[in-house]
Amino acid sequence: DVKVTQSSRYLVKRTGEKVFLECVQDMDHENMFWYRQDPGLGLRLIYFSYDVKMKEKGDIPEGYSVSREKKERFSLILESASTNQTSMYLCASSLWGGAGAGGYTFGSGTRLTVV
Amino acid sequence: QQQVKQSPQSLIVQKGGIPIINCAYENTAFDYFPWYQQFPGKGPALLIAIRPDVSEKKEGRFTISFNKSAKQFSLHIMDSQPGDSATYFCAASGGRRALTFGSGTRLQVQP
Repeated sequence: DVKVTQSSRYLVKRTGEKVFLECVQDMDHENMFWYRQDPGLGLRLIYFSYDVKMKEKGDIPEGYSVSREKKERFSLILESASTNQTSMYLCASSLWGGAGAGGYTFGSGTRLTVV
Repeated sequence: QQQVKQSPQSLIVQKGGIPIINCAYENTAFDYFPWYQQFPGKGPALLIAIRPDVSEKKEGRFTISFNKSAKQFSLHIMDSQPGDSATYFCAASGGRRALTFGSGTRLQVQP
């Protein structure tokens, strides 16, 4: 069964810490995405990558960065965590051709709490 | 600026009812409109999708209606079941751009 795996289900971090969220997919997908999910706001795109070492900013990139050194792995980095980054973070991947080619496969999410 | 507006925020129907969730978009470059279903503790999963060259698409009990001139699309769930209780997201994209999601609708189907 193909899957997107996010390394942590729950994380609690302190304000100012550097936080790494890891995502691995086993489907040989070119595209990978990071979204955050907040009640009433839906899913908002933080960053996406359409190839190794390539990245593009989404709608809310401030305070975040990403790394994609290998095709299967896409990391989200919170440079200095703040309480307003408390959220559910969802990683997804898709085939070349983007959303039209079978849609996105999402991981189960990482619930991050910044205290 | 929210490019895909979804309503209602929550919806309660009785088993067998037909819940309808509506979405409106602004960007005329959008050419792909999927719906995702999310159960608690899980990531969203693709349910059904439509392109603007057709006005309706059915897959099982799920139907998308699409109105290109009004820039609106909706999800209908026929003969809804308690197992359909979930959060539903509409989305849209154009070209190689990533999906833009709506704000979500929490559906509860009562037995």
